Amino acid sequence: EIVMTQSPATLSVSPGERATLSCRASQSVSSNLAWYQQKPGQAPRLLIYGASTRATGIPARFSGSGSGTEFTLTISSLQSEDFAVYYCQQYNNWPLWTFGQGTKVEIK
Amino acid sequence: EVQLVESGGGLVQPGGSLRLSCAASGFTFSSYAMHWVRQAPGKGLEYVSAISSNGGSTYYANSVKGRFTISRDNSKNTLYLQMGSLRAEDMAVYYCATQILLSSGWYKIYWGQGTLVTVSS
Repeated sequence: EIVMTQSPATLSVSPGERATLSCRASQSVSSNLAWYQQKPGQAPRLLIYGASTRATGIPARFSGSGSGTEFTLTISSLQSEDFAVYYCQQYNNWPLWTFGQGTKVEIK
Repeated sequence: EVQLVESGGGLVQPGGSLRLSCAASGFTFSSYAMHWVRQAPGKGLEYVSAISSNGGSTYYANSVKGRFTISRDNSKNTLYLQMGSLRAEDMAVYYCATQILLSSGWYKIYWGQGTLVTVSS
């Protein structure tokens, strides 16, 4: 099983600042990596797929990078609606998808 | 537009059974593997089960193996999860999901909105 490790667990950021979230895979997942945003009571919202492609309707302040085992989600200038939990997911290894444990982005 | 709509959740007693359904539209259902993922209250995302496009291959997380059965009806564009011997730790929102190959060559993941399963006496 591929283990996905996200860091940090919690990120305290002021509105307007940049946030950088990391996700590491225990073995290569190529670019088959997705990022999600989740707010309380809501389903995960796809932000990024293919490690760096923004999903439809996702603002340009969200960007993804990386391949292989190291990935980054960057939010260039945090808006109030961006405070949420973020998950990474690998889908390279049929049939077993695996998820990171999540990074909570909170207001500093 | 790809749509996945789960149903069948509800309150069930420990040891009871429940069948979840996921109605799919907007893509060629019979061409794609399908997955179930769950999220317990206040917890992260947990992979539950998967089934190949023709139903010939299935996968289960150790936590549900022997108690849950995944199946699909390609003529009805519907995915199922039969859950038995339910435990308190099975209480969660259950999502169906799939990964679809785009013309760009990348796979994109699509999720439903989820259905809540509550296990309580």
